Amino acid sequence: EPEVTQTPSHQVTQMGQEVILRCVPISNHLYFYWYRQILGQKVEFLVSFYNNEISEKSEIFDDQFSVERPDGSNFTLKIRSTKLEDSAMYFCANKLGSTDTQYFGPGTRLTVL
Amino acid sequence: AQKVTQAQTEISVVEKEDVTLDCVYETRDTTYYLFWYKQPPSGELVFLIRRNSFDEQNEISGRYSWNFQKSTSSFNFTITASQVVDSAVYFCASTDSWGKLQFGAGTQVVVTP
Repeated sequence: EPEVTQTPSHQVTQMGQEVILRCVPISNHLYFYWYRQILGQKVEFLVSFYNNEISEKSEIFDDQFSVERPDGSNFTLKIRSTKLEDSAMYFCANKLGSTDTQYFGPGTRLTVL
Repeated sequence: AQKVTQAQTEISVVEKEDVTLDCVYETRDTTYYLFWYKQPPSGELVFLIRRNSFDEQNEISGRYSWNFQKSTSSFNFTITASQVVDSAVYFCASTDSWGKLQFGAGTQVVVTP
């Protein structure tokens, strides 16, 4: 069964540094999402991406965040200048069609020191 | 906007007991989708079940069953004959036709031998 994969599994960075989180979606899936989960809290939506552009973003997704599909397959989330409060688990998700179920990757744990 | 409420923060049971997780949703959409995801201690988000707003039929799948009632805006989930491997955080989530998943706060299920 196809799976969503994410790299790295754990990223440790210094405050102010840039990080790029990578996701390899299930092939043929057209809708892409990033979510984050601060330790012990609920899963929060960050951004959705369809047809090579952002379709929706949350208040969390400010100018420090960006997403792209650099090579038409990988889906990346970039944080330009990390803050302590960016420490969280970041999940990539995707789905085939608009009304289909979202499937999640295993997550990347980001620790900002 | 959608909202999901999981009032139970933690449920502890002894193995082989049944456990029912409550979920109440709010939406102004006429078409929407409801989900349950499991997050085991390893951290990934695992899709369990999905229900469409236009299908109120309740089903059983193995040890899982669910009770979807539009009249009370509830989408409850039951694990029958719980096992230690069922220990996890369970999230209820909703979405409209296009967009992001809105998660509840999650319910921690602890199953002891």
